[in-house]
Formats: sequence, structure tokens, C-alpha cells
Amino acid sequence: EAQVTQNPRYLITVTGKKLTVTCSQNMNHEYMSWYRQDPGLGLRQIYYSMNVEVTDKGDVPEGYKVSRKEKRNFPLILESPSPNQTSLYFCASSLTQGAVGAFFGQGTRLTVV
Amino acid sequence: RKEVEQDPGPFNVPEGATVAFNCTYSNSASQSFFWYRQDCRKEPKLLMSVYSSGNEDGRFTAQLNRASQYISLLIRDSKLSDSATYLCVVNMFNTGRRALTFGSGTRLQVQP
Repeated sequence: EAQVTQNPRYLITVTGKKLTVTCSQNMNHEYMSWYRQDPGLGLRQIYYSMNVEVTDKGDVPEGYKVSRKEKRNFPLILESPSPNQTSLYFCASSLTQGAVGAFFGQGTRLTVV
Repeated sequence: RKEVEQDPGPFNVPEGATVAFNCTYSNSASQSFFWYRQDCRKEPKLLMSVYSSGNEDGRFTAQLNRASQYISLLIRDSKLSDSATYLCVVNMFNTGRRALTFGSGTRLQVQP
């Protein structure tokens, strides 16, 4: 079954404690991206990756890092989380950038206290 | 001004009603257009692509008006299961790259 898997689904953490949200896809997609979703603002792209070792900033990259060492994995790293990073995060993958049928992971609800 | 704008709703309609949503986009160079459906606290899922000639998928019809820069989604014979948030998504060039830009969504509540 084609899927994008994120972990964890829910996370409560404290300010400044580094965390990683993992994302894995089994469709051999080249393009992967991370979004955050906040009420009234829609989904905003944090970072994206066109292929292995190729990553770039999206619209709201501050406070986040990513890596793409393997095609299937695209972890999101918060080196020093802050309360304004409390949000619902989605990982997505697609064949190419902006392609129809982007698949989304189930989401990670992060709360930073 | 937001790049992709939608009426947040909620649209409260009875079962069987026909309901239409519009979405406007600001970038005239936008390449492709989609409607996604998102259930509460779940991931967005592609509902349908939107083509200039208009396209239909069962009870759902999507249309694109490039001249006026808006897309629409029409749902006929609404079902309770149609209750969700509908996201308008535009593939546009933004700060030198192509990216999917999402509207904030229109919430639909179908009532028995």
C-alpha cells in the first residue's frame, strides 16, 4: 500500500529540547516536503527536497532543519523548539515538484510548552 | 493579500443540497490547480484536479476561470459524508520556485 508514514503522531515537549519528526515514503518519490498547518493560515511549506541530498527552504523555514540522505526518508529537525512552533505538521511526497496527487502523512501534532 | 483565498465558511447545508465553493488566486502564472479534502485533524487528500475545460467526477464538478483567476467546486446531492474542509491548491511559481500553495480551506457541514 502506497503511504507516507510520520512519527510520532503526537508530541508534547519543552522549549529548547531538540526533537526529530520522521517521515518515510514507500513510493520511490523524488519530491518530499514538510508543511505546518495553523488555524486560518492554511498549510505553509517549511522545507522541501527535490531528491537525495537536495533540500531547500520553503516559506517558513526558520527554526527547522531537514536532511535527505535516502530517497525514502525526510526527517524534520527542531534544534531548539519554541512555543510558536506548536502546530500540526504534515510530510508529503510526490513524483515531481507540484505534481498532481501529492500524498500526505497522517500528521504530527506538536505542542511546545 | 493572500495568494490563494477561500471563504472559510462554514457552509451548513441539508442533505441533498447543491453547494458551490470558489477560490481566487493572485498569481496569473499559476500552472495547475487542485481541490483537496481534509477531514478534521487528518491529512489532506486529493479530491480532484481542475482543468480549464472543466471536469466532473461523480457528484463533484470543478472549473477554472483563468481570466478571472478563480476556481470552483460544485457538489451535487450532498451527503453527510461530504462534511469536511475543502482546500483549494494552486501550483505556482513563488520566489523563484514552483510550489503548491494552499488556501486556508472552506468548511462544509452537511446536516440531516
